Amino acid sequence: GAGVSQSPSNKVTEKGKDVELRCDPISGHTALYWYRQSLGQGLEFLIYFQGNSAPDKSGLPSDRFSAERTGGSVSTLTIQRTQQEDSAVYLCASSLRLSGSTDTQYFGPGTRLTVL
Amino acid sequence: DAKTTQPTSMDCAEGRAANLPCNHSTISGNEYVYWYRQIHSQGPQYIIHGLKNNETNEMASLIITEDRKSSTLILPHATLRDTAVYYCIVRPNSGGSNYKLTFGKGTLLTVNP
Repeated sequence: GAGVSQSPSNKVTEKGKDVELRCDPISGHTALYWYRQSLGQGLEFLIYFQGNSAPDKSGLPSDRFSAERTGGSVSTLTIQRTQQEDSAVYLCASSLRLSGSTDTQYFGPGTRLTVL
Repeated sequence: DAKTTQPTSMDCAEGRAANLPCNHSTISGNEYVYWYRQIHSQGPQYIIHGLKNNETNEMASLIITEDRKSSTLILPHATLRDTAVYYCIVRPNSGGSNYKLTFGKGTLLTVNP
């Protein structure tokens, strides 16, 4: 079946502008995760959704970052007043998150954000 | 989460088996071994996971030692498209913030023609 999709694949923006990144999870996956990966760095957890709720937003770097999920499906990550240090690849993953079983996260291709 | 240790890089000839080792000597009883890979400029790709028993799927085999302190990912017939960074991670099945994946530096596998 279809995997996790993200759009846009690349986004170049000017410092101070707002950007919206979109994630379409695998159909039926109740859990959705946002990570970011800076050049040469590991994964940095941002936020976790279970359904439309976000039990863990602890990884959002500042209040300029927000995310929402509607209909238990699509999620949007919004970065306001972008800064150069926001430049990174933003990755979305989804999983079934069934209790009592292993929970494999499947990643999308990512959105490469460049803030000039 | 338990830490893992992997070689920085490995080479493999096309068509041969690639055996990628991972040490996880402090693994706990409820922690699974997961393998992902990341091809340049792409998102991480799930490969396989296991707890105690060896596992095989269409992509790879996972061999876990009896004491569970190490494992080996085997790509039986490596192709040029298998060139990627391979990440071995251990994570609990449930509880706490087990959903937060963290990748170490992984092993850069280069498959040569």
